[in-house]
Amino acid sequence: SQTIHQWPATLVQPVGSPLSLECTVEGTSNPNLYWYRQAAGRGLQLLFYSVGIGQISSEVPQNLSASRPQDRQFILSSKKLLLSDSGFYLCAWNLDRGHEQYFGPGTRLTVT
Amino acid sequence: KQEVTQIPAALSVPEGENLVLNCSFTDSAIYNLQWFRQDPGKGLTSLLLIQSSQREQTSGRLNASLDKSSGRSTLYIAASQPGDSATYLCAARKGFGNEKLTFGTGTRLTIIP
Repeated sequence: SQTIHQWPATLVQPVGSPLSLECTVEGTSNPNLYWYRQAAGRGLQLLFYSVGIGQISSEVPQNLSASRPQDRQFILSSKKLLLSDSGFYLCAWNLDRGHEQYFGPGTRLTVT
Repeated sequence: KQEVTQIPAALSVPEGENLVLNCSFTDSAIYNLQWFRQDPGKGLTSLLLIQSSQREQTSGRLNASLDKSSGRSTLYIAASQPGDSATYLCAARKGFGNEKLTFGTGTRLTIIP
């Protein structure tokens, strides 16, 4: 069966510090991968998605970047965090648009 | 641009009642629609995926319907239980182009014991 992992589960970082969140999927090959942010009281915002290694599409101009160094690994990064980067970050995957999308457990990021 | 709306934002019902959650979308050219639940502080759990060619999907006490022409989907929960308390989100996937889902803002459901 397939599983999706995210780490860390929680993170508290000062403004201006770098960020690296990692997501890995097990039990499948060539998944589509997604990064979402869920801010308090707001809906899910798609940040990035990837249909293959090295292929990244950005949905919203922002302080963040994403990379996919391996087939089942998706990384969300920032060089300098802003207060507005605080939120709940969710990674997700699916095989293609005809299949269900599955989410990881999320990372709670607080920028202080 | 697709917009997905879920009304009401919050709903409380006594345990044992049947209930319906609503989801509306503005662009009927969808490929499929997916329902999720989210418990506080947790990720999203997939409940049902209904393809654009389908009218409904069932899983246990849950039944999702889809009416593309009217831009509506409903999630029916039978014999509600306190464990059903969560936020329920629907998301529509485009009929062409990229792979992304457009999410509603959710309905927070509370089942009163």
